[in-house]
Amino acid sequence: EDQVTQSPEALRLQEGESSSLNCSYTVSGLRGLFWYRQDPGKGPEFLFTLYSAGEEKEKERLKATLTKKESFLHITAPKPEDSATYLCAAQTGGSQGNLIFGKGTKLSVKP
Amino acid sequence: KAGVTQTPRYLIKTRGQQVTLSCSPISGHRSVSWYQQTPGQGLQFLFEYFSETQRNKGNFPGRFSGRQFSNSRSEMNVSTLELGDSALYLCASSSQQGAKGYTFGSGTRLTVV
Repeated sequence: EDQVTQSPEALRLQEGESSSLNCSYTVSGLRGLFWYRQDPGKGPEFLFTLYSAGEEKEKERLKATLTKKESFLHITAPKPEDSATYLCAAQTGGSQGNLIFGKGTKLSVKP
Repeated sequence: KAGVTQTPRYLIKTRGQQVTLSCSPISGHRSVSWYQQTPGQGLQFLFEYFSETQRNKGNFPGRFSGRQFSNSRSEMNVSTLELGDSALYLCASSSQQGAKGYTFGSGTRLTVV
């Protein structure tokens, strides 16, 4: 069964304290690995898509990496405005292209 | 460029009633997907429409249905509402079926009492 697992469920950081979020996936034929940010009461906001092992993408303080079994979202010197829930999703292969989401990591960054 | 628009934002319904939610995708996007988000289960795929045809369906009962119009706008219907249907319903659009990028709307918060 296709599955995406995120850890930790919650993460509290001090401003400037770098860390990483993990996304492990077991899917039949990965077409893409997506990272989203979701703020309370809003829909997920697209961050990155990764397609093949070894690929990396960066945006401001965030960097996403991909291996054959997991993806990491590295947060460098976070600020309070980075506080949100970060979701990863795997897009499966074949004719069905729906996203399978993990349950997210809730990040809190304290000043 | 306008984003994905979902209406209404909030809805309160009684058990046994039915509800229709609406989603207007980004202009030019032909694929619309629907997801249910709850604290316990996270985001779960409901269905995807492309060019007015349902292309993909998740594991939800037949009470959940949808359709897409020729202008790509989509509606989702839930009949015989149950308390467990209370959730944030999210719509996402993309330019192709099963495409590389999905843009989500802000969702409709449905509460069943």
